[in-house]
Amino acid sequence: DQQVKQNSPSLSVQEGRISILNCDYTNSMFDYFLWYKKYPAEGPTFLISISSIKDKNEDGRFTVFLNKSAKHLSLHIVPSQPGDSAVYFCAASEVNTDKLIFGTGTRLQVFP
Amino acid sequence: GAVVSQHPSRVICKSGTSVKIECRSLDFQATTMFWYRQFPKKSLMLMATSNEGSKATYEQGVEKDKFLINHASLTLSTLTVTSAHPEDSSFYICSAKYGGRTYSSGRNQPQHFGDGTRLSIL
Repeated sequence: DQQVKQNSPSLSVQEGRISILNCDYTNSMFDYFLWYKKYPAEGPTFLISISSIKDKNEDGRFTVFLNKSAKHLSLHIVPSQPGDSAVYFCAASEVNTDKLIFGTGTRLQVFP
Repeated sequence: GAVVSQHPSRVICKSGTSVKIECRSLDFQATTMFWYRQFPKKSLMLMATSNEGSKATYEQGVEKDKFLINHASLTLSTLTVTSAHPEDSSFYICSAKYGGRTYSSGRNQPQHFGDGTRLSIL
């Protein structure tokens, strides 16, 4: 049972435009959500996180939105840059646990 | 900051041998480290949670005797795949979390990952 789902395996965006990566979850006990970026042959790099008490968190070009009623979160990257091309994973953890549940990832390609 | 080093990056060995993978937090103390496994085109699956000075907590379906985890210090955890077989071939990756010794003080700290180890058993 996949508790964290990234239904788009890939996304292609032109440089300068907005990239929107989506993530859905099924477990209502999740209260902390993270986005990681992964290049080939490297480990995931932490990008941004959000607690369930918030609905938005922004850090530079990256903004994460959380819609608890819809059990949906999204990562917005604006403006997109070629260096953003990577696989993006969303992850979630339940209250009172450190365990992260990962989605299957979305491969973002930003072209000139 | 928050650099995690994992070694080796790639291992190729014969069936039946044991392989040790090291995970070090280089610039912070990690009371908790995590070991994941990733199959091709799948997400990262948590194998076990390792707390410094205590026994690891394994996820359901992970064999404790096959995947030995030791977390002897605040900066080092090791995963030993014992008597490895071809089906153990996979990408293993560790993460470390900075945090205080109480749950609440470290709650919303992200996990920082190493670059993984590609294990191939012939």
